Amino acid sequence: NAGVTQTPKFRILKIGQSMTLQCTQDMNHNYMYWYRQDPGMGLKLIYYSVGAGITDKGEVPNGYNVSRSTTEDFPLRLELAAPSQTSVYFCASRYQGLNQPQHFGDGTRLSIL
Amino acid sequence: AQTVTQSQPEMSVQEAETVTLSCTYDTSESNYYLFWYKQPPSRQMILVIRQEAYKQQNATENRFSVNFQKAAKSFSLKISDSQLGDTAMYFCAFVRIQGAQKLVFGQGTRLTINP
Repeated sequence: NAGVTQTPKFRILKIGQSMTLQCTQDMNHNYMYWYRQDPGMGLKLIYYSVGAGITDKGEVPNGYNVSRSTTEDFPLRLELAAPSQTSVYFCASRYQGLNQPQHFGDGTRLSIL
Repeated sequence: AQTVTQSQPEMSVQEAETVTLSCTYDTSESNYYLFWYKQPPSRQMILVIRQEAYKQQNATENRFSVNFQKAAKSFSLKISDSQLGDTAMYFCAFVRIQGAQKLVFGQGTRLTINP
């Protein structure tokens, strides 16, 4: 049972570089989410998706883009990395329906220098 | 918009003691879910317990139980017979029943269990 898999686990970027954080789940979940967690804080929602081809903004979407071409994958794209994007990024997924908990990946620690 | 507040940034207790973590939230919704997540140093987000707002009975999961006061919008977590492995950040979270069920998290409480 792989669950939610995020890659890479760690990454250091220079200001202005771009990268894609990968997230894949093997549970056939409709809903997927990207969160960021700044030091000493709770998670904040960046983007989410309710199914393949459907995405929407969360609380803090600026500087990020997402796509959902398949049920399994939900990559997060940083186009022009900025120091304010230094954070730990979590991907999560869940079944459609009431009272279904979100399952989280192990996170990606990203530093922008 | 919903907000979740955890007023205790840090707590520390001795092993085997009972500890209660506080959480309050603000919403105009009548039906929602509340969760407590644990985040150990490994950084994983682990679901500890969940409560459905339309259920009067407080949820329990082994040593973990909640005190859900809907009118007061309070959702505290009680850990009984605390163990060293309970050392972690604990996050309270709220989610509306309708829509995409996006989690709204509190700021977290860092709990340390001392031997």
